[in-house]
Amino acid sequence: AQTVTQSQPEMSVQEAETVTLSCTYDTSENNYYLFWYKQPPSRQMILVIRQEAYKQQNATENRFSVNFQKAAKSFSLKISDSQLGDTAMYFCAFSKNSGGSNYKLTFGKGTLLTVNP
Amino acid sequence: EAQVTQNPRYLITVTGKKLTVTCSQNMNHEYMSWYRQDPGLGLRQIYYSMNVEVTDKGDVPEGYKVSRKEKRNFPLILESPSPNQTSLYFCASSALAGKTYNEQFFGPGTRLTVL
Repeated sequence: AQTVTQSQPEMSVQEAETVTLSCTYDTSENNYYLFWYKQPPSRQMILVIRQEAYKQQNATENRFSVNFQKAAKSFSLKISDSQLGDTAMYFCAFSKNSGGSNYKLTFGKGTLLTVNP
Repeated sequence: EAQVTQNPRYLITVTGKKLTVTCSQNMNHEYMSWYRQDPGLGLRQIYYSMNVEVTDKGDVPEGYKVSRKEKRNFPLILESPSPNQTSLYFCASSALAGKTYNEQFFGPGTRLTVL
């Protein structure tokens, strides 16, 4: 079974600064995906960024980037130039590359990020 | 607009009163799934469906039922709700993966309180 651990229940950052959210995972799979989801106060689940395990290059989406360390099973999210709208709960998640089986997402417990003006 | 809808969005009920939370998607997705979100636990999968008439248990299926009679709908049924089923529920759907990953789309969530 896969597990996802987010060791920071809460974090805060000043507007325009950079913050890094940590995530580690455990799996025996070799082919999988990792995700960061954002959940603002509206509760909507929003995909922020996705990383494919077989790709060594770290994924980037505008101000969001990841540091994927496959050997260490680490997947951190860096948010640059933080904005007030980045205030949200952030979930790290794992999915096997199932090829026809359950596409279950295994989530961490979440990190509540507050961006202060 | 491509979307996953859930109804109701909020529900307060009493122990033992059967209820159904509906989920519908308009993207012709084969795969649909239910998750529950609890503080300090993240989201956990309840049931999933790979296609019409094909359903299976996730990690926390106890106390829940599902059905998939139509491709677009995947209702979650609580036949005898209990207070420990008070939670935030999400439905999600995606196309089956081919050569590339197909994103899972989440519904807006249903806040259920069982008294």
